[in-house]
Amino acid sequence: QKEVEQDPGPLSVPEGAIVSLNCTYSNSAFQYFMWYRQYSRKGPELLMYTYSSGNKEDGRFTAQVDKSSKYISLFIRDSQPSDSATYLCAMRQNYGQNFVFGPGTRLSVLP
Amino acid sequence: DTGVSQDPRHKITKRGQNVTFRCDPISEHNRLYWYRQTLGQGPEFLTYFQNEAQLEKSRLLSDRFSAERPKGSFSTLEIQRTEQGDSAMYLCASSLFWGGSESPLHFGNGTRLTVT
Repeated sequence: QKEVEQDPGPLSVPEGAIVSLNCTYSNSAFQYFMWYRQYSRKGPELLMYTYSSGNKEDGRFTAQVDKSSKYISLFIRDSQPSDSATYLCAMRQNYGQNFVFGPGTRLSVLP
Repeated sequence: DTGVSQDPRHKITKRGQNVTFRCDPISEHNRLYWYRQTLGQGPEFLTYFQNEAQLEKSRLLSDRFSAERPKGSFSTLEIQRTEQGDSAMYLCASSLFWGGSESPLHFGNGTRLTVT
């Protein structure tokens, strides 16, 4: 079992839809959680950064962390074709550990 | 903030040749990471530096791989005797570690290596 798992997709939604992207993980020691967006042939771009459990909102993006279930989510409201990309979750235990990434979910928002 | 810069963007080499990549981090960042990413996979950790000290190296990393950050600024990643399995995107990222806290990683656009 991989440490961090994501449904690879592709996930196709119509423009304006609410998108839900999820990651599950096996290491209960993870405390810091991030979501990155990666366009084709580009590096990952940070979207959200959260610590421990709870919700965080930034514009159209909401990140949720449920440590008891070892499950994190990213919601995208009013999705746009420009949101079409691969979404990577990443996490770490503490500042002495490196970041572990999921394999990514490919999202396609259709006009 | 000029972002993380990587050079070259794309490198094509023949099997058995040595290659070297360069990364220039965000100027105020003291930590620098190297990751490798293959198609359909997330980035896989290779190694990281704090200033000029290499603090961690992946156990999966072959002895053919070496990284340096001689003055705590830019870093180089060298792969000796390249193999076809080395074909991947090599990503550099940087962060600021200060006062017991660390910012999230900021990535460059990577160097795509193709070994023929």
